[in-house]
Amino acid sequence: AQSVTQLDSQVPVFEEAPVELRCNYSSSVSVYLFWYVQYPNQGLQLLLKYLSGSTLVESINGFEAEFNKSQTSFHLRKPSVHISDTAEYFCAETRNGATNKLIFGTGTLLAVQP
Amino acid sequence: DVKVTQSSRYLVKRTGEKVFLECVQDMDHENMFWYRQDPGLGLRLIYFSYDVKMKEKGDIPEGYSVSREKKERFSLILESASTNQTSMYLCASSSGSVGGYEQYFGPGTRLTVT
Repeated sequence: AQSVTQLDSQVPVFEEAPVELRCNYSSSVSVYLFWYVQYPNQGLQLLLKYLSGSTLVESINGFEAEFNKSQTSFHLRKPSVHISDTAEYFCAETRNGATNKLIFGTGTLLAVQP
Repeated sequence: DVKVTQSSRYLVKRTGEKVFLECVQDMDHENMFWYRQDPGLGLRLIYFSYDVKMKEKGDIPEGYSVSREKKERFSLILESASTNQTSMYLCASSSGSVGGYEQYFGPGTRLTVT
């Protein structure tokens, strides 16, 4: 069965420090991969996605993620975080050719401290 | 911009009550989804619908039913609310019939069953 693993439930980090949020997927076939962000008291918003092509994808607010097929990973990184990046981050996958159902990880709370 | 609205942000109901959660999207999307979000468990799919009057069970459909009489509206029904259904409920919509299409989320309804 498909599954998405986010090993870190919470990642505390100081402002302006780099951060990596880990995500591993399980599917052995072609997948689409997503990172969603949920700010406090809000719904989820798409941060970035990998469908095909370049394995490095970027968001407009400085996050990037790299699709690594050999390690079945899609880790999210940012070189310098801001207080406003404090949120919960969810990794998700869906299988190429499958219905539009997303399989979500359990989420990682990024807590940026001043 | 795509907008997904949910009828209530906060709801308090008593055990045994019938509860209706409403979701409306304004982008003519084919697919609509209901998730529940619980700490440490991420998002779990309850039901989804890929067309009017069409529905499929997700991972945790027990105790829930859904209705989609119009393309823009997808309702989640708790026939007899129980305390273990206290949770955050998120609605989402997307276009297309295969993976890779972004899901757009509503702000969520925090339901408390007492």
